[in-house]
Amino acid sequence: NAGVTQTPKFQVLKTGQSMTLQCAQDMNHEYMSWYRQDPGMGLRLIHYSVGAGITDQGEVPNGYNVSRSTTEDFPLRLLSAAPSQTSVYFCASSYWQRFGSNSPLHFGNGTRLTVT
Amino acid sequence: SQQGEEDPQALSIQEGENATMNCSYKTSINNLQWYRQNSGRGLVHLILIRSNEREKHSGRLRVTLDTSKKSSSLLITASRAADTASYFCATDASEETSGSRLTFGEGTQLTVNP
Repeated sequence: NAGVTQTPKFQVLKTGQSMTLQCAQDMNHEYMSWYRQDPGMGLRLIHYSVGAGITDQGEVPNGYNVSRSTTEDFPLRLLSAAPSQTSVYFCASSYWQRFGSNSPLHFGNGTRLTVT
Repeated sequence: SQQGEEDPQALSIQEGENATMNCSYKTSINNLQWYRQNSGRGLVHLILIRSNEREKHSGRLRVTLDTSKKSSSLLITASRAADTASYFCATDASEETSGSRLTFGEGTQLTVNP
Protein backbone atom coordinates (compact mmCIF):
# COMPACT_ATOMS: atom_id res chain seq x y z
CA ASN A 1 0.00 0.00 0.00
CA ALA A 2 1.97 3.00 -1.31
CA GLY A 3 -0.54 5.68 -0.21
CA VAL A 4 -0.26 8.90 -2.24
CA THR A 5 2.56 8.98 -4.81
CA GLN A 6 3.71 12.19 -6.46
CA THR A 7 6.10 12.51 -9.38
CA PRO A 8 8.47 14.10 -10.08
CA LYS A 9 10.02 15.11 -6.74
CA PHE A 10 11.89 18.04 -8.26
CA GLN A 11 11.38 20.02 -11.45
CA VAL A 12 12.89 23.14 -12.99
CA LEU A 13 10.99 24.89 -15.77
CA LYS A 14 11.58 27.95 -17.88
CA THR A 15 8.88 30.59 -18.08
CA GLY A 16 6.26 29.59 -20.63
CA GLN A 17 6.95 25.86 -20.52
CA SER A 18 4.20 23.40 -19.70
CA MET A 19 4.27 20.30 -17.55
CA THR A 20 2.08 17.88 -15.65
CA LEU A 21 2.53 16.96 -12.01
CA GLN A 22 1.39 13.42 -11.41
CA CYS A 23 -0.52 12.15 -8.38
CA ALA A 24 -1.76 8.62 -7.78
CA GLN A 25 -3.36 6.97 -4.75
CA ASP A 26 -4.09 3.30 -4.08
CA MET A 27 -6.52 3.70 -1.18
CA ASN A 28 -9.70 3.95 -3.31
CA HIS A 29 -10.28 7.49 -2.01
CA GLU A 30 -13.04 9.47 -3.67
CA TYR A 31 -11.60 12.87 -2.73
CA MET A 32 -8.33 14.18 -4.17
CA SER A 33 -6.84 17.64 -4.04
CA TRP A 34 -3.85 19.78 -4.91
CA TYR A 35 -2.29 22.33 -2.56
CA ARG A 36 0.66 24.65 -2.97
CA GLN A 37 2.86 25.56 -0.02
CA ASP A 38 4.74 28.84 0.05
CA PRO A 39 6.81 30.33 2.90
CA GLY A 40 4.68 32.34 5.29
CA MET A 41 1.42 31.41 3.52
CA GLY A 42 0.67 27.90 4.67
CA LEU A 43 -1.06 25.57 2.23
CA ARG A 44 -3.50 26.92 -0.31
CA LEU A 45 -6.00 24.77 -2.18
CA ILE A 46 -5.66 24.83 -5.97
CA HIS A 47 -8.22 22.30 -7.25
CA TYR A 48 -10.07 19.34 -5.85
CA SER A 49 -12.21 16.41 -6.98
CA VAL A 50 -14.85 14.35 -5.18
CA GLY A 51 -14.89 11.56 -7.74
CA ALA A 52 -14.03 10.55 -11.28
CA GLY A 53 -15.29 13.12 -13.75
CA ILE A 54 -15.87 15.78 -11.08
CA THR A 55 -13.47 18.66 -10.38
CA ASP A 56 -13.82 22.05 -8.77
CA GLN A 57 -11.71 25.12 -8.09
CA GLY A 58 -10.06 25.92 -4.82
CA GLU A 59 -8.61 29.16 -3.51
CA VAL A 60 -5.88 29.69 -6.14
CA PRO A 61 -6.87 27.91 -9.40
CA ASN A 62 -5.55 30.37 -11.98
CA GLY A 63 -2.80 28.95 -14.19
CA TYR A 64 -3.62 25.34 -13.33
CA ASN A 65 -5.84 22.69 -14.91
CA VAL A 66 -6.93 19.32 -13.56
CA SER A 67 -8.88 16.30 -14.72
CA ARG A 68 -10.07 13.14 -12.97
CA SER A 69 -10.61 10.31 -15.42
CA THR A 70 -10.00 7.55 -12.86
CA THR A 71 -10.40 7.23 -9.11
CA GLU A 72 -6.66 6.67 -8.68
CA ASP A 73 -5.13 9.56 -10.64
CA PHE A 74 -5.41 13.35 -10.36
CA PRO A 75 -2.82 15.15 -12.52
CA LEU A 76 -2.16 18.88 -12.23
CA ARG A 77 -1.24 20.71 -15.43
CA LEU A 78 0.65 23.97 -15.75
CA LEU A 79 -0.05 25.21 -19.26
CA SER A 80 2.39 28.14 -19.30
CA ALA A 81 4.65 28.24 -16.25
CA ALA A 82 5.35 31.56 -14.52
CA PRO A 83 7.90 32.41 -11.78
CA SER A 84 4.96 33.00 -9.41
CA GLN A 85 4.24 29.27 -9.65
CA THR A 86 7.55 28.42 -7.98
CA SER A 87 6.38 26.46 -4.97
CA VAL A 88 6.07 23.06 -3.34
CA TYR A 89 2.99 21.21 -4.57
CA PHE A 90 1.20 18.60 -2.49
CA CYS A 91 -1.43 16.12 -3.55
CA ALA A 92 -3.78 14.79 -0.88
CA SER A 93 -6.64 12.30 -0.79
CA SER A 94 -9.31 11.06 1.59
CA TYR A 95 -12.58 9.20 1.84
CA TRP A 96 -15.53 11.46 1.18
CA GLN A 97 -19.25 11.42 1.73
CA ARG A 98 -21.72 14.18 1.09
CA PHE A 99 -22.92 15.81 4.32
CA GLY A 100 -20.20 15.00 6.75
CA SER A 101 -17.07 13.13 5.74
CA ASN A 102 -14.75 14.02 8.63
CA SER A 103 -11.98 11.99 7.04
CA PRO A 104 -8.33 13.03 7.39
CA LEU A 105 -6.24 13.89 4.36
CA HIS A 106 -3.39 11.64 3.27
CA PHE A 107 -0.57 13.63 1.68
CA GLY A 108 2.12 12.79 -0.84
CA ASN A 109 5.69 13.96 -0.24
CA GLY A 110 5.43 16.87 -2.63
CA THR A 111 6.91 18.16 -5.87
CA ARG A 112 9.35 21.04 -5.61
CA LEU A 113 8.92 23.22 -8.67
CA THR A 114 11.17 26.11 -9.69
CA VAL A 115 10.24 28.34 -12.62
CA THR A 116 13.04 30.55 -13.92
CA SER B 1 -7.50 34.28 2.80
CA GLN B 2 -6.31 32.03 5.60
CA GLN B 3 -9.01 30.63 7.85
CA GLY B 4 -6.71 29.38 10.57
CA GLU B 5 -3.88 31.25 12.23
CA GLU B 6 -1.41 29.49 14.47
CA ASP B 7 0.32 31.01 17.43
CA PRO B 8 3.21 31.12 18.08
CA GLN B 9 4.95 31.02 14.70
CA ALA B 10 7.94 29.34 16.31
CA LEU B 11 8.47 27.53 19.60
CA SER B 12 11.68 26.15 21.07
CA ILE B 13 11.63 23.94 24.17
CA GLN B 14 13.71 21.33 25.97
CA GLU B 15 13.03 17.63 25.80
CA GLY B 16 10.53 16.58 28.45
CA GLU B 17 8.71 19.92 28.49
CA ASN B 18 5.17 20.40 27.23
CA ALA B 19 4.47 22.28 24.00
CA THR B 20 1.28 24.23 23.41
CA MET B 21 0.23 25.60 20.03
CA ASN B 22 -2.88 27.65 19.38
CA CYS B 23 -5.08 28.07 16.35
CA SER B 24 -7.74 30.71 15.72
CA TYR B 25 -10.24 30.73 12.89
CA LYS B 26 -12.89 33.03 11.51
CA THR B 27 -16.03 31.17 10.43
CA SER B 28 -18.19 28.32 11.71
CA ILE B 29 -16.63 24.94 11.13
CA ASN B 30 -17.61 21.29 10.81
CA ASN B 31 -14.34 20.05 12.26
CA LEU B 32 -10.79 21.14 12.98
CA GLN B 33 -7.75 19.00 12.28
CA TRP B 34 -4.10 19.12 13.28
CA TYR B 35 -1.31 17.97 10.99
CA ARG B 36 2.42 17.57 11.39
CA GLN B 37 5.07 18.15 8.72
CA ASN B 38 8.66 17.01 9.01
CA SER B 39 11.18 18.92 6.92
CA GLY B 40 10.96 18.01 3.25
CA ARG B 41 7.98 15.71 3.70
CA GLY B 42 4.23 15.79 3.28
CA LEU B 43 1.77 16.52 6.07
CA VAL B 44 0.67 13.74 8.38
CA HIS B 45 -2.71 13.79 10.10
CA LEU B 46 -2.56 13.86 13.91
CA ILE B 47 -6.07 14.36 15.25
CA LEU B 48 -9.54 15.54 14.23
CA ILE B 49 -12.02 17.21 16.55
CA ARG B 50 -15.62 17.77 15.53
CA SER B 51 -17.44 21.02 16.19
CA ASN B 52 -19.60 19.39 18.90
CA GLU B 53 -16.55 18.09 20.79
CA ARG B 54 -14.56 20.11 23.33
CA GLU B 55 -11.53 17.93 24.00
CA LYS B 56 -9.83 14.94 22.44
CA HIS B 57 -6.77 12.88 23.36
CA SER B 58 -4.43 10.70 21.32
CA GLY B 59 -1.35 9.38 23.09
CA ARG B 60 0.71 12.42 24.16
CA LEU B 61 -1.54 14.78 22.20
CA ARG B 62 -4.42 16.73 23.67
CA VAL B 63 -6.60 18.98 21.54
CA THR B 64 -9.21 21.40 22.79
CA LEU B 65 -11.81 23.29 20.79
CA ASP B 66 -13.70 26.40 21.90
CA THR B 67 -16.23 27.25 19.21
CA SER B 68 -17.42 30.34 21.08
CA LYS B 69 -13.92 31.80 20.83
CA LYS B 70 -13.22 30.16 17.47
CA SER B 71 -9.98 28.73 18.77
CA SER B 72 -8.22 25.42 19.31
CA SER B 73 -5.06 24.35 21.09
CA LEU B 74 -2.72 21.40 20.60
CA LEU B 75 -0.76 20.24 23.62
CA ILE B 76 2.14 17.81 23.24
CA THR B 77 3.18 16.43 26.61
CA ALA B 78 6.65 15.18 27.54
CA SER B 79 8.11 16.33 24.24
CA ARG B 80 10.88 14.45 22.45
CA ALA B 81 13.50 15.57 19.95
CA ALA B 82 11.58 13.55 17.35
CA ASP B 83 8.60 15.90 17.82
CA THR B 84 10.58 18.63 16.05
CA ALA B 85 8.40 19.57 13.06
CA SER B 86 5.91 22.12 11.79
CA TYR B 87 2.36 21.79 13.07
CA PHE B 88 -0.66 23.02 11.14
CA CYS B 89 -4.29 23.41 12.02
CA ALA B 90 -6.87 22.96 9.26
CA THR B 91 -10.53 23.83 9.34
CA ASP B 92 -13.38 22.35 7.37
CA ALA B 93 -16.04 25.00 6.89
CA SER B 94 -17.81 23.41 3.92
CA GLU B 95 -21.56 23.82 4.21
CA GLU B 96 -22.89 21.02 2.07
CA THR B 97 -19.94 18.86 1.12
CA SER B 98 -18.00 18.50 4.34
CA GLY B 99 -14.39 17.64 3.80
CA SER B 100 -14.05 19.20 0.36
CA ARG B 101 -12.27 22.41 1.27
CA LEU B 102 -9.85 22.18 4.18
CA THR B 103 -8.18 25.51 4.92
CA PHE B 104 -4.75 25.46 6.52
CA GLY B 105 -3.03 27.95 8.75
CA GLU B 106 0.59 29.02 8.36
CA GLY B 107 1.90 26.61 10.94
CA THR B 108 3.98 26.60 14.11
CA GLN B 109 7.60 25.48 13.86
CA LEU B 110 8.37 23.43 16.97
CA THR B 111 11.98 22.70 17.91
CA VAL B 112 12.62 20.27 20.76
CA ASN B 113 16.19 20.46 22.01
CA PRO B 114 17.79 17.27 23.41
